[in-house]
Amino acid sequence: AQTVTQSQPEMSVQEAETVTLSCTYDTSESDYYLFWYKQPPSRQMILVIRQEAYKQQNATENRFSVNFQKAAKSFSLKISDSQLGDAAMYFCAYRSEAWDGNQFYFGTGTSLTVIP
Amino acid sequence: NAGVTQTPKFQVLKTGQSMTLQCAQDMNHNSMYWYRQDPGMGLRLIYYSASEGTTDKGEVPNGYNVSRLNKREFSLRLESAAPSQTSVYFCASSETGTHAYEQYFGPGTRLTVT
Repeated sequence: AQTVTQSQPEMSVQEAETVTLSCTYDTSESDYYLFWYKQPPSRQMILVIRQEAYKQQNATENRFSVNFQKAAKSFSLKISDSQLGDAAMYFCAYRSEAWDGNQFYFGTGTSLTVIP
Repeated sequence: NAGVTQTPKFQVLKTGQSMTLQCAQDMNHNSMYWYRQDPGMGLRLIYYSASEGTTDKGEVPNGYNVSRLNKREFSLRLESAAPSQTSVYFCASSETGTHAYEQYFGPGTRLTVT
């Protein structure tokens, strides 16, 4: 089974600054998908950004961008111009291309605090 | 378009009691999932249903049963609740196939077993 590792249980950033959250994964597959989800205090899981492994270009969504290093099996999330509303738990997720029913694997999360 | 809905949002049970968590999605997704979320452990898969009529165990199935009632609904049952089942439970759904289909999550159910 694939594993997803988030080695930073907690991070903090000053408002308007930039922060990078780390994620690594272990897989023998060549085709897969990666996601970052945000979970604010409301508990609702919100998709932040997705990346297809076959795409070399890093995905970007407004202030959120990823640094996808396929060979290193690394998928970090960069949040630019941090805002108070970015404070949340962030989960990295891997979706297998192979369908055995259990396609999704999640990391243990990084709790992000934004300091005013 | 409500997405994924879960009921109830909160529940307190005594040890040994039973209950069913309900989940429904209106996105016509084939696959549905039940996760539990515990501090420091991320999301762990309890059961999933790849398509209507099929269910399979995930990483932590002991103490739970599921029913895929139809394409829309996927319920999770605790037959005899234990304090170790105190957790936040999430239902999710997704499409299947060779595209970057993400999971859509319900709002979660906070369950406390005393």
